[in-house]
Amino acid sequence: NAGVTQTPKFRILKIGQSMTLQCTQDMNHNYMYWYRQDPGMGLKLIYYSVGAGITDKGEVPNGYNVSRSTTEDFPLRLELAAPSQTSVYFCASRVQTGGGNQPQHFGDGTRLSIL
Amino acid sequence: AQSVTQLGSHVSVSEGALVLLRCNYSSSVPPYLFWYVQYPNQGLQLLLKYTTGATLVKGINGFEAEFKKSETSFHLTKPSAHMSDAAEYFCAVTSTGGGNKLTFGTGTQLKVEL
Repeated sequence: NAGVTQTPKFRILKIGQSMTLQCTQDMNHNYMYWYRQDPGMGLKLIYYSVGAGITDKGEVPNGYNVSRSTTEDFPLRLELAAPSQTSVYFCASRVQTGGGNQPQHFGDGTRLSIL
Repeated sequence: AQSVTQLGSHVSVSEGALVLLRCNYSSSVPPYLFWYVQYPNQGLQLLLKYTTGATLVKGINGFEAEFKKSETSFHLTKPSAHMSDAAEYFCAVTSTGGGNKLTFGTGTQLKVEL
């Protein structure tokens, strides 16, 4: 019963490096989301996807890219890491049906530090 | 645009006391509202949700919340706090537009003391 799986759990990057945060779900959910969580700020939406091949920007997309080639996977790419991207990143998914009344299911997060 | 305000970034209660975490929302359409809980080093777990119908919603671990349209509130309560309730709690409202996005409050850290 995996649900939403994120890898890695922790990572330290140097300024200017790039990396991909992985997210996969086994619930056949069409909708997937990437958030960042900073202390005292709640969760901010970076990107989201309503199905394979369809992605859109959220509230804080600058410095990030995403792709969605399969229903299961929704990787988040940091191209040129900056200290401002130090954060905890969460991936979530939900079913397409039911309009807005269905909850999102969250992974355990990736804790990223950029030094 | 939708927004959520959680009053009190930190709340401290004694074990066995009433827990009250406040959430007020702003929405241009009938809202769908959620409370999530986050334990240390974990992701968010759904506590309860309000969609339509009964305004008093019961969730897991003895929590409940009441939707009050006139007050634009969705406060979370639990009659008797337990040490295991110590966590961060987030209120969220479904945003308009595509993707059924959620707008989150800034969270309330609940501390339970002996």
